[in-house]
Amino acid sequence: DQQVKQNSPSLSVQEGRISILNCDYTNSMFDYFLWYKKYPAEGPTFLISISSIKDKNEDGRFTVFLNKSAKHLSLHIVPSQPGDSAVYFCAASANTGNQFYFGTGTSLTVIP
Amino acid sequence: KAGVTQTPRYLIKTRGQQVTLSCSPISGHRSVSWYQQTPGQGLQFLFEYFSETQRNKGNFPGRFSGRQFSNSRSEMNVSTLELGDSALYLCASSPRPPHQETQYFGPGTRLLVL
Repeated sequence: DQQVKQNSPSLSVQEGRISILNCDYTNSMFDYFLWYKKYPAEGPTFLISISSIKDKNEDGRFTVFLNKSAKHLSLHIVPSQPGDSAVYFCAASANTGNQFYFGTGTSLTVIP
Repeated sequence: KAGVTQTPRYLIKTRGQQVTLSCSPISGHRSVSWYQQTPGQGLQFLFEYFSETQRNKGNFPGRFSGRQFSNSRSEMNVSTLELGDSALYLCASSPRPPHQETQYFGPGTRLLVL
């Protein structure tokens, strides 16, 4: 049972525009969320996190928004750059467990 | 600080064999988690170790096992390999158990079972 879902397998965006990657979750106990970026043949690289006590967290070009009532989070990348082309994973954890649940990833292509 | 290291990076085995993968966490990190990544499946959680104790296990058969040593290094073992075990195996470490901690990943071990 996939508790974290990324329903868009791929996304293409023009360089300089905004990229919006979405993630939905089903477990209301999740209270900590991470986004990772992954290039081929490498491990995932941490991008940004958000706790459920917040609804927004920013780090440079990356902003994560959390909508707890909708069980939805999104990652905004502004402006998008060709080097952002990678697979992006969202992950969630709950206080009741010792693991992160990952989505299946969204492949972002930024077109120069 | 050095990142998470995993050895070997690539491995080819045949069905029925067993394999052991190794993970060295970031210095000072005591929690190690293992994940399996297959195309279209995202990262599937295998198990998590903290202070040499397995604290959580994912929905994988008993052929998958692991352990953690006193220096926090971890190994995972897969016995009686099957074709479906071909995957990228990722290890991640964090200072404490994963909840509300950022996990840092190694480069992974690519396992091919023939």
